[in-house]
Amino acid sequence: QSALTQPRSVTGSPGQSVTISCTGTSSDIGGYNSVSWYQQHPGKAPKVMIFDVTKRPSGVPDRFSGSKSGNTASLTISGLQGEDEADYYCCSYTGRYTYVFGTGTKVTVL
Amino acid sequence: EVQLVQSGAEVKKPGESLKISCKGFGYSFNNYWIGWVRQMPGKGLEWMGITYPDDSDTRYSPSFQGQVTISVDKSISTAYLQWSSLKASDTAIYYCARQGNWDFDYWGQGTLVTVSS
Repeated sequence: QSALTQPRSVTGSPGQSVTISCTGTSSDIGGYNSVSWYQQHPGKAPKVMIFDVTKRPSGVPDRFSGSKSGNTASLTISGLQGEDEADYYCCSYTGRYTYVFGTGTKVTVL
Repeated sequence: EVQLVQSGAEVKKPGESLKISCKGFGYSFNNYWIGWVRQMPGKGLEWMGITYPDDSDTRYSPSFQGQVTISVDKSISTAYLQWSSLKASDTAIYYCARQGNWDFDYWGQGTLVTVSS
């Protein structure tokens, strides 16, 4: 099971939008509507920001949104804020209660 | 309040065995899968495997099959990750996480395992 492919880094200014892509295969992202996204600040445990491709857990700001097309999922952060600077990981269900994470993307807020 | 509380940091020598734990609080532990995730120093998240407490059904990533053992004791709401012979390359932070809606909705605080001679 190969890791899903994410860009190593993305950068944006406060107030701008950034989009992080997550590319897999028909055996993971393309085969299930079960993609989730995690935010991880340095020294902290990951936190789920999006589940089931597009759904936001309670308490996650609505400037975080998710989508999927074919074998690629995306996370968009609109109205970027300083507190959004973190590492982000996608994760896809791969069947039979198994999962795979993405390679991770560092979001920098200028 | 749902919480996953992991055991403390460990320092071990190569070849030693180790078992770390993850105890669930505030929810019906038996009815949610618990996964384990590795994060090597300065690196990304890697999904290792998952277990269902009610019947101990366990699945592994091919990358970790045979390298670690995941187990659970539902009587004390605790999941475990163990090694029979540690290597320096096992140095990492290990997280447990509860599977919710095909995601991992609650995470433990992480256990740092350092393997060094």
